[in-house]
Amino acid sequence: AQRVTQPEKLLSVFKGAPVELKCNYSYSGSPELFWYVQYSRQRLQLLLRHISRESIKGFTADLNKGETSFHLKKPFAQEEDSAMYYCALNTEKNTGFQKLVFGTGTRLLVSP
Amino acid sequence: DTEVTQTPKHLVMGMTNKKSLKCEQHMGHRAMYWYKQKAKKPPELMFVYSYEKLSINESVPSRFSPECPNSSLLNLHLHALQPEDSALYLCASRPDRVSNQPQHFGDGTRLSIL
Repeated sequence: AQRVTQPEKLLSVFKGAPVELKCNYSYSGSPELFWYVQYSRQRLQLLLRHISRESIKGFTADLNKGETSFHLKKPFAQEEDSAMYYCALNTEKNTGFQKLVFGTGTRLLVSP
Repeated sequence: DTEVTQTPKHLVMGMTNKKSLKCEQHMGHRAMYWYKQKAKKPPELMFVYSYEKLSINESVPSRFSPECPNSSLLNLHLHALQPEDSALYLCASRPDRVSNQPQHFGDGTRLSIL
């Protein structure tokens, strides 16, 4: 089955602490993975995708095919990072329809 | 214009009503999506349109009827909904099947069924 698992519902850290939001996937073949973020009262926004390998707002994510993981990391959390984070998998890479399956999400709370 | 606009923002309707949700984008995108997001849950795909043709229907009940009258507009017609259909309905778009671009999401319509 093609799925995404985010084991933590809530991650609470202090400002300046490192953050790692976990994402594991199940997919036969080479996956296409995304991190989306939903700030309070705002729309779902793309944060990262693994093919671009860029750093957005200090966040990075590396695809580890051996561990089937795509964890999101930031070395020093900021209060404005508080949001809901969703990991998503494209389950129809070959058709081009970009059919996304989302994980259950992790709420990140950064306290001062 | 780089946004996906959804109207109305909120909708309350009875189980016998007929209403429609609207999604509009002027980015020239030719792939458009409807998602349903229940409270405290992730978005779940409902429909995908590609070049105004329905390409994916995720076994959605027929009380939800999508329509793509032109390349900028996507509608979701609602009829005889159930209380469990109360949710945030999200629209998204991307350039087309060939491009490698991600989906852009709208703010959603929060639907409550009485």
